[in-house]
Amino acid sequence: NAGVTQTPKFQVLKTGQSMTLQCAQDMNHEYMSWYRQDPGMGLRLIHYSVGAGITDQGEVPNGYNVSRSTTEDFPLRLLSAAPSQTSVYFCASSPLAEVVNEQFFGPGTRLTVL
Amino acid sequence: GQNIDQPTEMTATEGAIVQINCTYQTSGFNGLFWYQQHAGEAPTFLSYNVLDGLEEKGRFSSFLSRSKGYSYLLLKELQMKDSASYLCAPGGGADGLTFGKGTHLIIQP
Repeated sequence: NAGVTQTPKFQVLKTGQSMTLQCAQDMNHEYMSWYRQDPGMGLRLIHYSVGAGITDQGEVPNGYNVSRSTTEDFPLRLLSAAPSQTSVYFCASSPLAEVVNEQFFGPGTRLTVL
Repeated sequence: GQNIDQPTEMTATEGAIVQINCTYQTSGFNGLFWYQQHAGEAPTFLSYNVLDGLEEKGRFSSFLSRSKGYSYLLLKELQMKDSASYLCAPGGGADGLTFGKGTHLIIQP
């Protein structure tokens, strides 16, 4: 199993550009989530999904969209990039949605918005 | 909402023991996780407590008191590779984990 994979690993955008961060898992996990990590702020939840076709907002959802058309994939879309979105983005998955349990993290995407 | 408090930074000596404390206030609680994160890498799972008491796993132990909203991570026989950030994360249900800001642990020779 590859676990949780994320692409790209690094990305530089100009203000106003849009892009999609890809996340995939091959463990048949129900629950998937996106976090951003900034210095001094810790990991903050952007969006999450408890199964295919179901998504919900986390702590900092503004400026981001998600969809979950399959169990495996959970892409994160930046609609119009802003410098405040410069961050490291982690995708995570866990087996069950009903109860909280161990989350497996992808390697991260380091995004810079100029 | 959730409020999580842990020290920003700690320093310890190789071979020694260090205890990293975490206090939390949550609207719902299903258990508490500790994650380790080396610089530039993703967080990795260390331990999980759902009941009060101590869970031991090799050199690492984690303690939970639900009534006090308190947990600690105990690291024994410290090694240089233990230099990392340690993240406390109470879980409140299907909306996943809320992470503390992390404790940056520096191990000195």
